[in-house]
Amino acid sequence: GESVGLHLPTLSVQEGDNSIINCAYSNSASDYFIWYKQESGKGPQFIIDIRSNMDKRQGQRVTVLLNKTVKHLSLQIAATQPGDSAVYFCAETVKGGSEKLVFGKGTKLTVNP
Amino acid sequence: NAGVTQTPKFQVLKTGQSMTLQCAQDMNHEYMSWYRQDPGMGLRLIHYSVGAGITDQGEVPNGYNVSRSTTEDFPLRLLSAAPSQTSVYFCASSSLGAGGQPQHFGDGTRLSIL
Repeated sequence: GESVGLHLPTLSVQEGDNSIINCAYSNSASDYFIWYKQESGKGPQFIIDIRSNMDKRQGQRVTVLLNKTVKHLSLQIAATQPGDSAVYFCAETVKGGSEKLVFGKGTKLTVNP
Repeated sequence: NAGVTQTPKFQVLKTGQSMTLQCAQDMNHEYMSWYRQDPGMGLRLIHYSVGAGITDQGEVPNGYNVSRSTTEDFPLRLLSAAPSQTSVYFCASSSLGAGGQPQHFGDGTRLSIL
């Protein structure tokens, strides 16, 4: 069914390293994907998005990769900083007018100084 | 620019009580939605609205009502609170639908039902 999951619930990295957060989705009809960052006590904050007609999109220090063949989405954070510590969620929307965003369970990223 | 404002930030209710969670946005967004987030979980859609006067159900609508009389406001009503509704509730908005552009989220209402 429509579900978005994550391979790892937690990720710990050293400051300055690159981080990769993975996400698997099950609905091949999904055509819009978003990564959100959620800090403690706050609402989700938009990081980057990608549509199904793209394989890669880059932002400031972040890159999203989409592999439609294996239904896999990843978020890469370059030169990870302590301020990047948060829970990261991927979310998908299915094509066809359904105004529904389906979230994964999240990965908690901890950046060690 | 306040963005999406949710009130109250915290609330404790007794089982059977009713209450309304308020959500307001000042970005003139047509699309608004309500989610709940339980510990260790992602967000689940409760109800959404694509414009004033139009609402629809999401993944977990039971026990909740919504209305959209203005573009700015999208209140969520708990008719008879149950312990299973203890959660953090987030409101979000965007100028297009969920498949059009990212939604902007409020900082949530933390609700406990005793």
